[in-house]
Amino acid sequence: QSVLTQPPSASATPGQRVTISCSGSNSKIGSNTVNWYQQLPGTAPKLLIYSNKQRPSGVPDRFSGSKSGTSASLAISGLQSEDEADYYCAAWDDSLNGYVFGTGTKVTVL
Amino acid sequence: EVQLLDSGGGLVQRGGSLRLSCAASGFTFRSYGMTWVRQAPGKGLEWVATISGNGGSTYYADSVKGRFTMSRDNSENKVYLQMNSLRAEDTAVYFCAKCRSAPGSGFDSWGQGTLVSVSS
Repeated sequence: QSVLTQPPSASATPGQRVTISCSGSNSKIGSNTVNWYQQLPGTAPKLLIYSNKQRPSGVPDRFSGSKSGTSASLAISGLQSEDEADYYCAAWDDSLNGYVFGTGTKVTVL
Repeated sequence: EVQLLDSGGGLVQRGGSLRLSCAASGFTFRSYGMTWVRQAPGKGLEWVATISGNGGSTYYADSVKGRFTMSRDNSENKVYLQMNSLRAEDTAVYFCAKCRSAPGSGFDSWGQGTLVSVSS
């Protein structure tokens, strides 16, 4: 199954900013909106960002998303210890007629 | 409050079958697509299948096409995943999730997950 490519890990100290990239292709990110999920250890994923940059109710504005061409990114500003989690981008894939997740990025708060 | 309760997981032999269920509450069930996502031990998320609100459209990952069938009962507010010809690589925690709107629009509520273990 095709995937979206993310860096395996990212880290920063509390209060700093961390950015996670997500690289795809025209049939995925290029043609469709990107969603981001946060998965805390041992829990179900949570929708963090939808439609490239929209935050569901309750998600702090420290989390922001953007998309350009066939790439997207998630930024976490004012990093907090509770942000330590796995983060996944995802998008619909027109060529597969299905949904694809990114490879996932583990964020560590130093 | 939206609630999704996954169930039906367990230990099954390779080549066997299992049916997962997901009971939903707290929203107008028939108005939303539903999805199954799985996560193998220590691995990332993998989309499995999505069904539209009226059940008229279903979408499957290539890895499960022809073996898994997703269905729903809008009178009972439940979705199901019938899994046949199970393989060792199907071992995972399976989560049901609610689609925000269109199939690619994101999954905004998730169940707690149910573990499927396929023995070889």
